[in-house]
Amino acid sequence: KAGVTQTPRYLIKTRGQQVTLSCSPISGHRSVSWYQQTPGQGLQFLFEYFSETQRNKGNFPGRFSGRQFSNSRSEMNVSTLELGDSALYLCASSLGASGSQQYFGPGTRLTVT
Amino acid sequence: QQQVKQSPQSLIVQKGGISIINCAYENTAFDYFPWYQQFPGKGPALLIAIRPDVSEKKEGRFTISFNKSAKQFSLHIMDSQPGDSATYFCAATIQGAQKLVFGQGTRLTINP
Repeated sequence: KAGVTQTPRYLIKTRGQQVTLSCSPISGHRSVSWYQQTPGQGLQFLFEYFSETQRNKGNFPGRFSGRQFSNSRSEMNVSTLELGDSALYLCASSLGASGSQQYFGPGTRLTVT
Repeated sequence: QQQVKQSPQSLIVQKGGISIINCAYENTAFDYFPWYQQFPGKGPALLIAIRPDVSEKKEGRFTISFNKSAKQFSLHIMDSQPGDSATYFCAATIQGAQKLVFGQGTRLTINP
């Protein structure tokens, strides 16, 4: 089975712009979670989608949003980018059932200048 | 209450030695504790996980020890190899929530 794929792998944006990141989960997985990884804050949970519905949300401002499509693919959007949004954004997929393991993609490295 | 505290931040071990990384949590509702391994340029990969109804789980050279009363758990890597050099993260979650709370990570270096 193919793993979790994320596109693009690298992105450079300017402050004030918006960005959309994409994640394709492992075939058959219905849950997609997003995490932000920075040297200072470590790995932090952004949100989780299951069957096109947001099931959980982390402690991030409303500039961070996401959605999931009927084929389980997910996108996250960050509007009005700030320098502090520079990070590695990781997507993880799982079956979504209780106790199911999460499998991470390679991430999208976002740099905001 | 959502924090998971991980130590040490960095660790250097000789080849063949035992690497030990410790984590502590506060939220007693957590009931699933995975460990992830991350190499540079890659996403975290699940290494081993434990639920609080057991005190130890072993998979190959990797062992998790779990102390429910102390709210602590640790990862032991036996016969550490240079290929084990990576960053290790402990995490905790409530089963079914799919929301992992991660420790700050430990950069492990195994000297040949």
